[in-house]
Amino acid sequence: QQPVQSPQAVILREGEDAVINCSSSKALYSVHWYRQKHGEAPVFLMILLKGGEQKGHEKISASFNEKKQQSSLYLTASQLSYSGTYFCGTWDSGNTPLVFGKGTRLSVIA
Amino acid sequence: GAVVSQHPSWVICKSGTSVKIECRSLDFQATTMFWYRQFPKQSLMLMATSNEGSKATYEQGVEKDKFLINHASLTLSTLTVTSAHPEDSSFYICSARSSGTYEQYFGPGTRLTVT
Repeated sequence: QQPVQSPQAVILREGEDAVINCSSSKALYSVHWYRQKHGEAPVFLMILLKGGEQKGHEKISASFNEKKQQSSLYLTASQLSYSGTYFCGTWDSGNTPLVFGKGTRLSVIA
Repeated sequence: GAVVSQHPSWVICKSGTSVKIECRSLDFQATTMFWYRQFPKQSLMLMATSNEGSKATYEQGVEKDKFLINHASLTLSTLTVTSAHPEDSSFYICSARSSGTYEQYFGPGTRLTVT
């Protein structure tokens, strides 16, 4: 089943923070976050494994609550380069593929 | 990170012709490859999963005779769109995963336009 992302779209000014949520109706082994710019393929941001993981890189971090089957992506002090569509992909096990949410369109303006 | 390439980046073809798209893992062995299709402003929709040396598993609603997938080696998978029609115009993206790993890496995509 396709995970549900919220919000669908968000507009930020440079320097503002944002949170993107991803929730699933089934048990998950991992959650993957990608950013896609217009006309390009998705770029891998990070993966979180079950076990209540949190991780981050510079000003982008994420958490995974496996009990709630939810993950959140945190963007702090947003930059213009953060603009794009963010997708979460969920993986339950084995050789199954990632199933992607519908995406969250993030626009950062000056 | 691992690198996946796709060729061509874009292709324009006439209705009724066939188009082949190649997906290669450049620095790792891709035991499993996935083919996605993405329409404008929509999410990535999985078309099929292929394991090296095996027949591809197609998602419901995807015509296997129209979208031929071959995963002949651990570094190459091909998608052939047969008898293409304008409604097949889309952004096709392959993704690859190595055995025993969690990460799934995407190619840069191929934009197909059928006239």
